[in-house]
Formats: sequence, C-alpha cells, structure tokens
Amino acid sequence: GENVEQHPSTLSVQEGDSAVIKCTYSDSASNYFPWYKQELGKGPQLIIDIRSNVGEKKDQRIAVTLNKTAKHFSLHITETQPEDSAVYFCAAPFQEYGNKLVFGAGTILRVKS
Amino acid sequence: KAGVTQTPRYLIKTRGQQVTLSCSPISGHRSVSWYQQTPGQGLQFLFEYFSETQRNKGNFPGRFSGRQFSNSRSEMNVSTLELGDSALYLCASSFGGGDEKLFFGSGTQLSVL
Repeated sequence: GENVEQHPSTLSVQEGDSAVIKCTYSDSASNYFPWYKQELGKGPQLIIDIRSNVGEKKDQRIAVTLNKTAKHFSLHITETQPEDSAVYFCAAPFQEYGNKLVFGAGTILRVKS
Repeated sequence: KAGVTQTPRYLIKTRGQQVTLSCSPISGHRSVSWYQQTPGQGLQFLFEYFSETQRNKGNFPGRFSGRQFSNSRSEMNVSTLELGDSALYLCASSFGGGDEKLFFGSGTQLSVL
C-alpha cells in the first residue's frame, strides 16, 4: 500500500544546533505535505505545511523543503530550543484513502541544554 | 475559537466489551477524521465523516464504526474489544472542502484489559 517513510526515528541535538528530519512518499499524486508536532499528552499540532507548487517555505525558525521529482520533503529547525523537544510527524495525502493524510512513523527530537 | 474536543480522555475496558468515543470539531468544520495511534503502528487512518456520511475508510475491521450528527459532532464505536485495540484514538477536523489541514484533539486513551 501507499506509505510515508520518515528518518531518523530519534534525533538528539545540542541547544542552538539545527535539526533536520526527512520523509519520502510513494503516491506521485500527493500535493500537500504537512508537518505535525506532538507533545506528551497532546494531539499532533500542525506547525508548517507546503504545497507542491513551491519548493520551500519558512516560518521563523522552521522551514520545509520539497523535491517533487525525488518524492521527498524535509523539516529544518534552526537554533533549536528545549521546548522543541517533541515527536514530529510528516504526512502526505493518498488517493487510496480519498486523499486523507497518511503519516510517517515519527521522529523523537531531544534538544539538550 | 475552541479547538477539537474529545471525551473521555481516558477509558479502561475489558475484552469483549464495546466502547463509544466522542468528538466535537472546530466550529464551522464539517469533516471529522479518526486516527488510531499506537507505539508500534504509529498514526493510522480509521475513517472520515462529512455531512453525516462516511466519505473515506482505512483498513480496519468492521468492529470499528462511526457516525456523524447534523451538528458535525462525531462518535466512533469499537465493538467486541480486543487487547490490541489499546491505543490513543485521535479525532481531527477540517473544513472538508478539499483543504487537507487537519486539526487534532488531545485524544482518548483506551486501555483494554
């Protein structure tokens, strides 16, 4: 079936360093790529998204890049802070499910102070 | 604007019982999607309701069902509970007009003993 692969599964960085999380998807028709942040005891929160007509989008310290030809997209967090520690999920819509989002397995990000 | 509200937050049931979970979407949102989150399988799409009709469905057995009311509130039901149904059940709402931005609630943590 369709899937989204996400790497790495865990990532530890020093406060102030950058973090990069990468995802690949299999449905070439996918045209919307969101990233979600999930903190303990909460549901996933949308932090940034990108549509296939742009290659990069920034919002303060976070950015997402998209390579539609290679079918992969990445989340970049600069100047990481302890409050960035959470689980991050990428997602993409799949025709198989009526364009509902299929999620990657998640990345546990730990920012050490 | 109030977010997505899920009740109850925690549930403990025994094998063979059935359970009903409730979700109130963001005001104005007509689509409600349900996801199951487990450590082993991640976030998996259960089904989506729009205008009181199931619009899309994931790969879950018929024991998992749902419905949506005229005020867009949704319920999901799991019958004949199994140990493997223990999970965080997340509800997400959206406008439903093709915009895939999903807004999640905090989930219902179901434990099956």
